[in-house]
Amino acid sequence: GPKVLQIPSHQIIDMGQMVTLNCDPVSNHLYFYWYKQILGQQMEFLVNFYNGKVMEKSKLFKDQFSVERPDGSYFTLKIQPTALEDSAVYFCASSPHWGDKNTLYFGAGTRLSVL
Amino acid sequence: QQKVQQSPESLSVPEGGMASLNCTSSDRNFQYFWWYRQHSGEGPKALMSIFSDGDKKEGRFTAHLNKASLHVSLHIRDSQPSDSALYFCAASFANSGTYQRFGTGTKLQVVP
Repeated sequence: GPKVLQIPSHQIIDMGQMVTLNCDPVSNHLYFYWYKQILGQQMEFLVNFYNGKVMEKSKLFKDQFSVERPDGSYFTLKIQPTALEDSAVYFCASSPHWGDKNTLYFGAGTRLSVL
Repeated sequence: QQKVQQSPESLSVPEGGMASLNCTSSDRNFQYFWWYRQHSGEGPKALMSIFSDGDKKEGRFTAHLNKASLHVSLHIRDSQPSDSALYFCAASFANSGTYQRFGTGTKLQVVP
């Protein structure tokens, strides 16, 4: 089936540093998402993105967070500076269409450990 | 506030048995539901979606939606050890963004 690739699978950084999480969405998908999961529990929506713009974001998408997809390359989530509470698994997802009936295709996640 | 709640938190069924998972919404504006399955170390993978009242069957999986009672369930027939995973329901809500909100998850263990 369609695959979303996330790089790296695990990232360890010191608090205050910048980190960039990379996502290679399904090739013909146009809509991209980031979700945050803590300790294998609930998935929390962060942001969605289309055509170079943030479409929707939640309260968890702090000012320190940013997303972009320059020239069709990786869809990235950047956190600058990082905080201890940013430790979690971050999942990227993509979908072919916009709207509230779309199934999401998730990557395997990047585990971020902030020390 | 939490809009999507799941029960039970964990469930153990024998191989070949029936597993039943439940999901309710605290918001009457929910519109569409999905069930996702997440194996350890992987991302969630969509099992099925259900948008209308009634049953929807896909292989061993049957989803049931009752919008009046704000309830959706997932039934897994002839459960297999490979079904052991974390199951999430997700919902989208009218007038509240297009993105899906996930429940707290049910951990299913199928015992051989």
